[in-house]
Amino acid sequence: DVKVTQSSRYLVKRTGEKVFLECVQDMDHENMFWYRQDPGLGLRLIYFSYDVKMKEKGDIPEGYSVSREKKERFSLILESASTNQTSMYLCASSLSLQAGGYTFGSGTRLTVV
Amino acid sequence: DQQVKQNSPSLSVQEGRISILNCDYTNSMFDYFLWYKKYPAEGPTFLISISSIKDKNEDGRFTVFLNKSAKHLSLHIVPSQPGDSAVYFCAARGGSNYKLTFGKGTLLTVNP
Repeated sequence: DVKVTQSSRYLVKRTGEKVFLECVQDMDHENMFWYRQDPGLGLRLIYFSYDVKMKEKGDIPEGYSVSREKKERFSLILESASTNQTSMYLCASSLSLQAGGYTFGSGTRLTVV
Repeated sequence: DQQVKQNSPSLSVQEGRISILNCDYTNSMFDYFLWYKKYPAEGPTFLISISSIKDKNEDGRFTVFLNKSAKHLSLHIVPSQPGDSAVYFCAARGGSNYKLTFGKGTLLTVNP
């Protein structure tokens, strides 16, 4: 089974801090994604990557950046954390965009105070 | 513009009865549909999927129905169990870039 591992389950950061969320998958998947989940808003795509060093903006990229230096690792960066970025962050991977569904990590609950 | 809509934020059913979760979509290019289940503090897990060339797919207690002409799909859970209580997300793939587009989710509560 594909495993998608997010480095932290819970994080508390201060406003203005630079925050790194890390995600690693172990099945050589080409595609990786970062979503955030908020009550009443569902899952919203922040960024995705279809290859090393390749990235595309999702629906809500403002205030975020990403890095994919190795195929197995996809990092989400909050350049200057704000309270409205308090959310559940979910990483996912898939073999190919045509292959069907995603495998998700367990999520990181980020609180910005 | 929301392309995948789950119009019921929540649903409550009794244990043993049928749960029906609904999903509508607007993009006629979608060709593959999935349901995910999510417990609190966990990532979504894949439940069942259906290709647009089919109108029904069944897996144990879970059946997904697709009505392409109405751009509507539904997930039936029979019989419902308390452990089915979770948020269910409908997702669709296709269009210009094959990303998955998710609905906002429906919270299902199955009462003992």
